[in-house]
Amino acid sequence: DTGVSQDPRHKITKRGQNVTFRCDPISEHNRLYWYRQTLGQGPEFLTYFQNEAQLEKSRLLSDRFSAERPKGSFSTLEIQRTEQGDSAMYLCASSHPSGRQETQYFGPGTRLLVL
Amino acid sequence: GDSVTQMEGPVTLSEEAFLTINCTYTATGYPSLFWYVQYPGEGLQLLLKATKADDKGSNKGFEATYRKETTSFHLEKGSVQVSDSAVYFCALSEPNAGNNRKLIWGLGTSLAVNP
Repeated sequence: DTGVSQDPRHKITKRGQNVTFRCDPISEHNRLYWYRQTLGQGPEFLTYFQNEAQLEKSRLLSDRFSAERPKGSFSTLEIQRTEQGDSAMYLCASSHPSGRQETQYFGPGTRLLVL
Repeated sequence: GDSVTQMEGPVTLSEEAFLTINCTYTATGYPSLFWYVQYPGEGLQLLLKATKADDKGSNKGFEATYRKETTSFHLEKGSVQVSDSAVYFCALSEPNAGNNRKLIWGLGTSLAVNP
């Protein structure tokens, strides 16, 4: 078990460009979460998948953001027409359903800088 | 809605000092409670958790007790080391529709331990 991995680790882009991030969860975990973390803040929930179904999206996720998990394994998060306010760390976590004991395990994050 | 409040940092201590980081929460139901740690340049790691009242989570010398009567989950360590320097996050989760156990986070408390 290699843990949750994310790619790329860093991304610098110009305003208006599209970017896509990938998350590979722990292999037996069927739940996957995306969060966003800005400097000096705690993470904020963006969206949640159970298997391939996207079950909840935060109102933070504008229509420029889209997330997929096509086969219930890896997930992608795409941001279209990036804005400087999108600069943040994007975190992915996975978990296995276990009621109150459920624990999310995080990847290293993708740090996005929009110039 | 649910929320988590942590004491503000930064906290600066000398090696072997006693550490307390306060965390209180507001929740509509009966959440599970977590402490995560983020070392410099690394991702979020679970430090400890507790899932019911009076449970004590512990790991690496850190402890926190789930106090329902005071809605608190304070983190403590009897003797800190330089290697404990990191940012500590308190978080809660409780399920909503779709069994989404998204984490609600505090702002984080930065700890610096001097030799």
